[in-house]
Amino acid sequence: QKEVEQNSGPLSVPEGAIASLNCTYSDRGSQSFFWYRQYSGKSPELIMSIYSNGDKEDGRFTAQLNKASQYVSLLIRDSQPSDSATYLCAVNIPRRGGSNYKLTFGKGTLLTVNP
Amino acid sequence: SAVISQKPSRDICQRGTSLTIQCQVDSQVTMMFWYRQQPGQSLTLIATANQGSEATYESGFVIDKFPISRPNLTFSTLTVSNMSPEDSSIYLCSVLSGQFGNTIYFGEGSWLTVV
Repeated sequence: QKEVEQNSGPLSVPEGAIASLNCTYSDRGSQSFFWYRQYSGKSPELIMSIYSNGDKEDGRFTAQLNKASQYVSLLIRDSQPSDSATYLCAVNIPRRGGSNYKLTFGKGTLLTVNP
Repeated sequence: SAVISQKPSRDICQRGTSLTIQCQVDSQVTMMFWYRQQPGQSLTLIATANQGSEATYESGFVIDKFPISRPNLTFSTLTVSNMSPEDSSIYLCSVLSGQFGNTIYFGEGSWLTVV
């Protein structure tokens, strides 16, 4: 099982719809979870971070975390064409050697919002 | 969040040559990292750049191929040695920062093409 898996894309939604992006992780000891957005030809930028079970809202974005199910998701409400990008799920998986901080990334989900 | 500057932003390199990428941060940070993103792939951690000591490399990456320097808390370099076309990637400098010091932010990236 891969350490961080994201639902296969690409995902296409109409403008104004809700886009739902999903991610699962393998290590139950993980404590920190992040969503990054990466536009084509650009570096990743942080969208949301979440550390506790439940929902965390920031504008049109809601991150949801369920540690029991080892599942984290990102909802984008009222999707806009400018939201079209690759969304990367990242998890801080505990280390037992080497560097004590490592973010492991999923492969990303390409989201297209159609006008 | 910290402002991270990388150079070069883009380069075309000849097979067998080496290239050094520089990363400058506008504030002192404890942890700096180097990631690689191969075409169509997600991000993979190369190493953690340690100030004043040798970098900590992830499995599959070695110092001879990717020597890293970190002379102070605001600067690091990554050298890609003896390049081959398989080294064509985006190389991303990143730092651990944020309100709780547990969020990774990325520089703009260095797009390398090896011919």
